[in-house]
Amino acid sequence: DSGVTQTPKHLITATGQRVTLRCSPRSGDLSVYWYQQSLDQGLQFLIQYYNGEERAKGNILERFSAQQFPDLHSELNLSSLELGDSALYFCASSLGEPNTEAFFGQGTRLTVV
Amino acid sequence: GQNIDQPTEMTATEGAIVQINCTYQTSGFNGLFWYQQHAGEAPTFLSYNVLDGLEEKGRFSSFLSRSKGYSYLLLKELQMKDSASYLCAVATNAGKSTFGDGTTLTVKP
Repeated sequence: DSGVTQTPKHLITATGQRVTLRCSPRSGDLSVYWYQQSLDQGLQFLIQYYNGEERAKGNILERFSAQQFPDLHSELNLSSLELGDSALYFCASSLGEPNTEAFFGQGTRLTVV
Repeated sequence: GQNIDQPTEMTATEGAIVQINCTYQTSGFNGLFWYQQHAGEAPTFLSYNVLDGLEEKGRFSSFLSRSKGYSYLLLKELQMKDSASYLCAVATNAGKSTFGDGTTLTVKP
């Protein structure tokens, strides 16, 4: 158990809908990262938050948004869902210092039908 | 941007040694991570290198050459449970972490 909690574990929804994925980081970790992993593809970095503020942005679509709350949990909002958004979405947390490893949650498997 | 290259697949025999290479191009380099990911599971941390040289941790070692933009992960005394995907990830000063597409290692008896 990495200490990072993601909910829900599985999500099935229709095209055009909006969903929210939730992540609780390890106790003491200030940084939260979101990644997307599609079938047969590597981990694609979406966005990073550090202590409530956006720190780095990857290839995140405009239909996607995220935030980190004062209690450090984070949410990833995906809207106007398309079939191609079906993927495993991972959240990871770290202390935030550059040389610290990230601990990954078990992921949310999103299926858009 | 960042480019990270790893072989897509490798096969090795139980008990043998395998080396998984990773080459990268980036600005603001701030360390290279190796993660292991079993199918359908979360990645787990294996190693971190920020200075040139070899870091040894049990059966796993990782090497970095910053001037060459090159790293490798060395796995010794391979076990069947080492069959997994191995991800190379580069961190930058800007806080970004970029993962390679991963190398799928199959260990055969």
